[in-house]
Amino acid sequence: GDSVTQMEGPVTLSEEAFLTINCTYTATGYPSLFWYVQYPGEGLQLLLKATKADDKGSNKGFEATYRKETTSFHLEKGSVQVSDSAVYFCALGETSGSRLTFGEGTQLTVNP
Amino acid sequence: SQTIHQWPATLVQPVGSPLSLECTVEGTSNPNLYWYRQAAGRGLQLLFYSVGIGQISSEVPQNLSASRPQDRQFILSSKKLLLSDSSFYLCAWSATKQTSTDTQYFGPGTRLTVL
Repeated sequence: GDSVTQMEGPVTLSEEAFLTINCTYTATGYPSLFWYVQYPGEGLQLLLKATKADDKGSNKGFEATYRKETTSFHLEKGSVQVSDSAVYFCALGETSGSRLTFGEGTQLTVNP
Repeated sequence: SQTIHQWPATLVQPVGSPLSLECTVEGTSNPNLYWYRQAAGRGLQLLFYSVGIGQISSEVPQNLSASRPQDRQFILSSKKLLLSDSSFYLCAWSATKQTSTDTQYFGPGTRLTVL
């Protein structure tokens, strides 16, 4: 079945550092890929998505490129801020269905 | 614009008591609806999803059940809560698409503590 593997956390960075959170997937067909962010005590918010190979999703300085050859969708940001501290989830959407498969989440803490 | 509501925001219940969590969506019709559970420090576990009124798919057998009495209302229930039901419960919706999975939009969640 479909699966998502995320870089284990927690990740702790200083403000303005470069961020990479790795995400790889296993799926049949051509799934959509998503990154969600969850701030403490809140629900998940869509951060960005990509629906086909070589698409780049971007939002709020975050980027991720859908790499079919490496089955990856790594999240990057050039300069993190304290306000980026949250849990980040990579997710995969079924190619012919209605469900998302989530990774385990990566806790990011950014210190001033 | 579409919005999703969940209530209550927090709930403390004794073991063996019943449960009813409600989720409603505004601004869209015939959405797909989902219930997830998230244990502390863990990922999301899909519990139920629904593609229409009265149509419920269960992902994980347990003492929880779900119902969809109206197009934009999704209810999570239990007859008798267990200590292990303590968790953060999230409802989500997505638009109905025929060819690929659409973005899911999440509610604010309900923090359930069973004592």
